[in-house]
Amino acid sequence: NAGVMQNPRHLVRRRGQEARLRCSPMKGHSHVYWYRQLPEEGLKFMVYLQKENIIDESGMPKERFSAEFPKEGPSILRIQQVVRGDSAAYFCASSPSYQETQYFGPGTRLLVL
Amino acid sequence: RKEVEQDPGPFNVPEGATVAFNCTYSNSASQSFFWYRQDCRKEPKLLMSVYSSGNEDGRFTAQLNRASQYISLLIRDSKLSDSATYLCVVNRATGGFKTIFGAGTRLFVKA
Repeated sequence: NAGVMQNPRHLVRRRGQEARLRCSPMKGHSHVYWYRQLPEEGLKFMVYLQKENIIDESGMPKERFSAEFPKEGPSILRIQQVVRGDSAAYFCASSPSYQETQYFGPGTRLLVL
Repeated sequence: RKEVEQDPGPFNVPEGATVAFNCTYSNSASQSFFWYRQDCRKEPKLLMSVYSSGNEDGRFTAQLNRASQYISLLIRDSKLSDSATYLCVVNRATGGFKTIFGAGTRLFVKA
């Protein structure tokens, strides 16, 4: 039973480019969560999605960031016009249902030059 | 004040020591509680869920006190491999569903 998968594991972008981060939840999990972790800091909740629905995006920056979880395929976190401050580790987690234990993927480390 | 607060750390202990981590949460509507561990540059991994009745898993014991809004983790007979950052995690469902992570407490176990 494969765990949560994220790709790419490392992503380098220049300022102004777009970053697309993908997350495939564990089999049987329909709830996906995205977190950001800055160096030497804790995890910060960004967004919680179910299939085709955004449940809570209160942790998402108002501009340049968007997330989706389509009916088919992985969840995508999209960052437009990246800036150096976007450099961080982005973790995805999934759970089988509301408020159950979340299992994390290995993360995508984004570096903006 | 942060919604979930943990001991600042780091904790430096010798092998075999008993170490206790504390965590407090400010939102009384919080509903479920967990301890995760995170190794350097890795993803968080679930250590254990936390229940009001307390729960134990080998050398690890977790307690929840809802009245005091306090969660604890006790590690007995610590091993070198216990060195990691321990994260207190709280789920709440008011004001939107949200999972709140504490900033973490770093533990170093020395030989």
